[in-house]
Amino acid sequence: AQSVAQPEDQVNVAEGNPLTVKCTYSVSGNPYLFWYVQYPNRGLQFLLKYITGDNLVKGSYGFEAEFNKSQTSFHLKKPSALVSDSALYFCAVRDGDNYGQNFVFGPGTRLSVLP
Amino acid sequence: GAGVSQSPSNKVTEKGKDVELRCDPISGHTALYWYRQRLGQGLEFLIYFQGNSAPDKSGLPSDRFSAERTGESVSTLTIQRTQQEDSAVYLCASSLQSTYGYTFGSGTRLTVV
Repeated sequence: AQSVAQPEDQVNVAEGNPLTVKCTYSVSGNPYLFWYVQYPNRGLQFLLKYITGDNLVKGSYGFEAEFNKSQTSFHLKKPSALVSDSALYFCAVRDGDNYGQNFVFGPGTRLSVLP
Repeated sequence: GAGVSQSPSNKVTEKGKDVELRCDPISGHTALYWYRQRLGQGLEFLIYFQGNSAPDKSGLPSDRFSAERTGESVSTLTIQRTQQEDSAVYLCASSLQSTYGYTFGSGTRLTVV
């Protein structure tokens, strides 16, 4: 079975400061890991993914995430937060060795960037 | 079309009535997923279609829920005898292959009164 945990319901950060949104996962095979963002009253948008290769993945809007296999984590980061980054962030995982598996999403973390 | 299209965008229905939600995936995307998002909660998997394979229905919460997909095109999610706890945003997503992320539609907000 696969699962995703996002231990923080809410993250508050001041504009211009670095931000981190945490994600840990459990999967039996090779993890395919994704981050999505949901802005108010809009659908989910893809941010970035890790399938294989470099552990540091760069994505849209200046976000990046680091895959850490030993800690089974895939934390989302940004060096300097913007007020417009305020949104709901979802981490998702699927078992890359099992093609038929769907993605499992974490419960989401609400990011508030304060001006 | 350029994205995943869902209709209607909003639906208010009376308890006990049936509703049908529609999803038009991106052309060529073989995988199609339905998720549910209750207010303030995360995404809940409902059903997954992959090409002509049997769908993964393991997430459907009860036998009142069913979904169909015609080939690799339109999908409809049907909820029979709606209950108030069915109120949620129903999201459809499509994907080209397993290594790609999803493209989500903007969802159908269902309110059962």
